Amino acid sequence: GAVVSQHPSWVICKSGTSVKIECRSLDFQATTMFWYRQFPKQSLMLMATSNEGSKATYEQGVEKDKFLINHASLTLSTLTVTSAHPEDSSFYICSARAFREPNQPQHFGDGTRLSIL
Amino acid sequence: KQEVTQIPAALSVPEGENLVLNCSFTDSAIYNLQWFRQDPGKGLTSLLLIQSSQREQTSGRLNASLDKSSGRSTLYIAASQPGDSATYLCASNLQGTALIFGKGTTLSVSS
Repeated sequence: GAVVSQHPSWVICKSGTSVKIECRSLDFQATTMFWYRQFPKQSLMLMATSNEGSKATYEQGVEKDKFLINHASLTLSTLTVTSAHPEDSSFYICSARAFREPNQPQHFGDGTRLSIL
Repeated sequence: KQEVTQIPAALSVPEGENLVLNCSFTDSAIYNLQWFRQDPGKGLTSLLLIQSSQREQTSGRLNASLDKSSGRSTLYIAASQPGDSATYLCASNLQGTALIFGKGTTLSVSS
């Protein structure tokens, strides 16, 4: 149980393109989803916390107008990288936590590798 | 704000050795302490989760301990194998918050 599916797993696109990444909880309802970013040889850095039906909370230094997060249902959150540039190339990983269980484990997707040319 | 530190950053050992990876965190009021494995270019594999009321968890050759008062956790790997080569990440969270990750320890086990 507790499977999180992330799509796509890999995307290459031209500079200036907007890219959408989907994160789905397949067998549980997720009140809260988290988005992380990982640059090569570095650890995961929390970008934002997304609660179903409300605006996402962004970490300091993360541009909310560039990284648009939508969490419209209890099983789906999306991250859109708008007007992506080469410096946005990174590994993006989503994570979900079960409904009404704030201290239960976070379950992670397999990540999306984004390469901007 | 919670900060997580891992020592050492890299470790190379011959096959068969027992080893310890260290993790420290700044806020002792944690709810969960979790160890993950990450292979190059891949996502995360959860290894062990220790809840705040627990002192340790074991899975096969892995044992993780938690000492909240000192802000430390250790991951013990017994009889290491080349297949254990990966980056090991420690992460903790406070009540209702997201997991915060350390920078990881990259382990290389030679045959």
